[in-house]
Amino acid sequence: GAVVSQHPSRVICKSGTSVKIECRSLDFQATTMFWYRQFPKQSLMLMATSNEGSKATYEQGVEKDKFLINHASLTLSTLTVTSAHPEDSSFYICSANTGEYEKLFFGSGTQLSVL
Amino acid sequence: GQNIDQPTEMTATEGAIVQINCTYQTSGFNGLFWYQQHAGEAPTFLSYNVLDGLEEKGRFSSFLSRSKGYSYLLLKELQMKDSASYLCAVLDSNYQLIWGAGTKLIIKP
Repeated sequence: GAVVSQHPSRVICKSGTSVKIECRSLDFQATTMFWYRQFPKQSLMLMATSNEGSKATYEQGVEKDKFLINHASLTLSTLTVTSAHPEDSSFYICSANTGEYEKLFFGSGTQLSVL
Repeated sequence: GQNIDQPTEMTATEGAIVQINCTYQTSGFNGLFWYQQHAGEAPTFLSYNVLDGLEEKGRFSSFLSRSKGYSYLLLKELQMKDSASYLCAVLDSNYQLIWGAGTKLIIKP
């Protein structure tokens, strides 16, 4: 099946620093990529939807200036958590689809811990 | 509002059968997904139902009734490695995925 590669898998950083998370579709072109956040024992929460070459669509309550999303190509999307704070500590997951909504593939996730 | 309900936690015995239920109220329906998620990992796809009925795939089967807003995931011949959270998600009329909070399945020997 299709593979979505997400890096890094784990990040520990100091408060105030910025962290970039990469999401790549390795063997297919992803028309749309999604970014989720998941707190322990809670559901996946969609943060934003990004389409190649256009601005990301953010969900209500998600600060676009804090969570910068760049979808530079059909195989790469990045999420940058700017000026990270302890409350941003969470599990971040990307997913990508090929245009067929039942074929949604997930990255392996990034555990962000902000000290 | 949109809502997906599934039990928080279930316990079953190795070798047995377990059924995890999911009920949903969403604005439109374009399919229902079941995902498996082990702790600290991303979800992995299990099944997709868009028509009523039962879809069988090895030890896992998924059932859908659109008129009742109801689905279940059936796991047979349970193995210890099946201990995980099982997430139900519905694709609504805007093709947004609405996620349930997940059911934590504990398998006991």
